[in-house]
Amino acid sequence: AQKITQTQPGMFVQEKEAVTLDCTYDTSDQSYGLFWYKQPSSGEMIFLIYQGSYDEQNATEGRYSLNFQKARKSANLVISASQLGDSAMYFCAMRVLISSGSARQLTFGSGTQLTVLP
Amino acid sequence: DVKVTQSSRYLVKRTGEKVFLECVQDMDHENMFWYRQDPGLGLRLIYFSYDVKMKEKGDIPEGYSVSREKKERFSLILESASTNQTSMYLCATTDRGYNSPLHFGNGTRLTVT
Repeated sequence: AQKITQTQPGMFVQEKEAVTLDCTYDTSDQSYGLFWYKQPSSGEMIFLIYQGSYDEQNATEGRYSLNFQKARKSANLVISASQLGDSAMYFCAMRVLISSGSARQLTFGSGTQLTVLP
Repeated sequence: DVKVTQSSRYLVKRTGEKVFLECVQDMDHENMFWYRQDPGLGLRLIYFSYDVKMKEKGDIPEGYSVSREKKERFSLILESASTNQTSMYLCATTDRGYNSPLHFGNGTRLTVT
């Protein structure tokens, strides 16, 4: 079974500073993908960034980057130059690659509530 | 853009009622999912479907069933609603790519009284 752990229920960061949201995962599979989602107070789930287990470089998408440390089984999200609009719940999720016919579901962590302070 | 539409944003039902939550997607995705979201627990998978009339149980299927008669529509059914099913319900879809993200609807906040 797969498990995602996000140990920070809440985080605060000053506007314009960088912040790291922690995510560790547990799987015995070699092929998997890691995803981060943002959920503002309005409730929609917004996909941010993806990292495959065989990707050699850390993923980046604009101000988001993923600090992927495979040996430590961690996939931390780094947000640079925080903005007030970054205040939201952030979820880490994992998909294990299994045989065709599966529905490729994601397993989610419990989330981290980020608050950006002006 | 993928559009995933959940029929109700807010729903209030009484204990024992049969409840239907509807989800429709417009991207011809084979895979559809129902998650429930509770504070401190993240998103937990209830059921998923990878084809019409095909369904599989997720991590917390008890008290729920699903129906997928057409590719674009995936329904979650609470056979006899209970107060512990008060939650936010999220429908999602994805295509076959292993690196494809889930696309979510806006959620249905269900309150069972």
